Amino acid sequence: DVKVTQSSRYLVKRTGEKVFLECVQDMDHENMFWYRQDPGLGLRLIYFSYDVKMKEKGDIPEGYSVSREKKERFSLILESASTNQTSMYLCASSWRTGLGGYTFGSGTRLTVV
Amino acid sequence: ILNVEQSPQSLHVQEGDSTNFTCSFPSSNFYALHWYRWETAKSPEALFVMTLNGDEKKKGRISATLNTKEGYSYLYIKGSQPEDSATYLCAFLSGGYQKVTFGTGTKLQVIP
Repeated sequence: DVKVTQSSRYLVKRTGEKVFLECVQDMDHENMFWYRQDPGLGLRLIYFSYDVKMKEKGDIPEGYSVSREKKERFSLILESASTNQTSMYLCASSWRTGLGGYTFGSGTRLTVV
Repeated sequence: ILNVEQSPQSLHVQEGDSTNFTCSFPSSNFYALHWYRWETAKSPEALFVMTLNGDEKKKGRISATLNTKEGYSYLYIKGSQPEDSATYLCAFLSGGYQKVTFGTGTKLQVIP
């Protein structure tokens, strides 16, 4: 069964901490994405990557960075966590064309206190 | 940011009822439209990927249609069951795979 695995289901961090969210996929997909989901706002794209070491900003990249050193792994980094980054974070992957649909991870609910 | 709207935001139906909801998207620069089902505490699961105007897709009791010229897609559920309770998301892809915008979803509750 194909999978996108996010390292943590729930995470609580303090304001100002550096936070790493990890995502691993086993489908050899070229594209990987990070979204955040907030009530009433739907899924909003933070960053995506279409190849190793490649990254593109999404709609809300401020306060985040990403790393893709290996094809199967895409990390989201909160350089200095703030309370407005409390959210559900979803990782997804797809084939390059996107026409096969996205496969999502189960999400990480991050609370910044 | 592109405008992708889903309606209604939520609805409650009785078991056995048929229902449908709408995803509206820009009619220009269309590449593809996805539908996902997102059950509570689970990951969104792809239902359909639609690319051609007039496309109709079916999976069991769920079907979808696509009109790219006027910018909308309908999702239909025939004979709703409690296990259909979920949030249904559409995703609009424009200009290729790189630009994807999700709607805010329709939350369906099927009452036994």
